[in-house]
Amino acid sequence: GAVVSQHPSWVICKSGTSVKIECRSLDFQATTMFWYRQFPKQSLMLMATSNEGSKATYEQGVEKDKFLINHASLTLSTLTVTSAHPEDSSFYICSARYEKLFFGSGTQLSVL
Amino acid sequence: ILNVEQSPQSLHVQEGDSTNFTCSFPSSNFYALHWYRWETAKSPEALFVMTLNGDEKKKGRISATLNTKEGYSYLYIKGSQPEDSATYLCAPNFGNEKLTFGTGTRLTIIP
Repeated sequence: GAVVSQHPSWVICKSGTSVKIECRSLDFQATTMFWYRQFPKQSLMLMATSNEGSKATYEQGVEKDKFLINHASLTLSTLTVTSAHPEDSSFYICSARYEKLFFGSGTQLSVL
Repeated sequence: ILNVEQSPQSLHVQEGDSTNFTCSFPSSNFYALHWYRWETAKSPEALFVMTLNGDEKKKGRISATLNTKEGYSYLYIKGSQPEDSATYLCAPNFGNEKLTFGTGTRLTIIP
């Protein structure tokens, strides 16, 4: 089946720094990728839809200047958490569609 | 905010026993219901996509049913095995590509 690779798996950073998470479709091209966030004991929540070659579409309540999404190629979307704060600590996971949705393995972000 | 509920939240089942759990969702504007299996430290894996009322899907020992009129789906596992231990997520979508996930049912199979 199709493979979506996400890196890093976990990251610890200091408050105020920026963190970049990569999501790659390894064996297919993805014009659309999705970014989700999951807080403990809660469900996966869609943050934004990443569109190759155009601006991402953000869900209500998600700050686009805080969570920068770049989908510069058909196989790579990146999510940058800018000026991260402890409340941004969460599990972030991406997905891409190839007939059905395939997910990366997620990134656990801890902001100190 | 669309309310997708899964029950129970967690479940311990003896190896060899059968089990089932529930996903309930708003029935209006329903388009499709997705079931995923998510093992720890791995990627969620798609199990089923169901669209029609009365749909039944089967994959090995796992099967699912769908009732779109009352807004629920059941997932069944027959003869549970240790490798079935995972979190099972359901996610309906309502006419677009966006999935609304439930919080999942965490299944632990006891050898």
